[in-house]
Amino acid sequence: QKEVEQDPGPLSVPEGAIVSLNCTYSNSAFQYFMWYRQYSRKGPELLMYTYSSGNKEDGRFTAQVDKSSKYISLFIRDSQPSDSATYLCAMSASAGGTSYGKLTFGQGTILTVHP
Amino acid sequence: AAGVIQSPRHLIKEKRETATLKCYPIPRHDTVYWYQQGPGQDPQFLISFYEKMQSDKGSIPDRFSAQQFSDYHSELNMSSLELGDSALYFCASRLAGKTDTQYFGPGTRLTVL
Repeated sequence: QKEVEQDPGPLSVPEGAIVSLNCTYSNSAFQYFMWYRQYSRKGPELLMYTYSSGNKEDGRFTAQVDKSSKYISLFIRDSQPSDSATYLCAMSASAGGTSYGKLTFGQGTILTVHP
Repeated sequence: AAGVIQSPRHLIKEKRETATLKCYPIPRHDTVYWYQQGPGQDPQFLISFYEKMQSDKGSIPDRFSAQQFSDYHSELNMSSLELGDSALYFCASRLAGKTDTQYFGPGTRLTVL
């Protein structure tokens, strides 16, 4: 079983919809949580970064982390066709431990926002 | 703002050949990571370097080696290439001691024929 599980979708929504993307994980050492957006054949682009539990908002994007449930979410409000991409959750353990920040990714969710 | 630079962007090799991928991190970033992303797969961690020393190792085949140079750029050397090595290879960089935020380059697409 993978350390990070993410529903690969695909997910198709109309423009303006609220999108919810989720990941679960099993490694209790994970403390840094990120969401990346990846367009086809491009490098992952950092969208959101959170440390430990809590919420973080940036424009139309909100990231939530619930460490007690080992569950993270990304919400996209007022989704746009330009949001169509693959969304990858990623996480890492404390850099002070044996892991120097290597990222463990979910499988990625393919999102299509249609006009 | 300057980003991570990778070269070449595309590479085609025959089986059993060797390949060298290069990564130039964001200026002042001292940590470099290499990831391999197969078709339809999530990126898998290969190896990382901090201050020119290997800091962590993942699922990197023994046929692959890497190093970080004094100017912090890194090279991934791949020998005895196999068909299964065909993938996107990403380099990411960060500034250690700040956050675990890694910034990815555009990737090198390696095709082994």
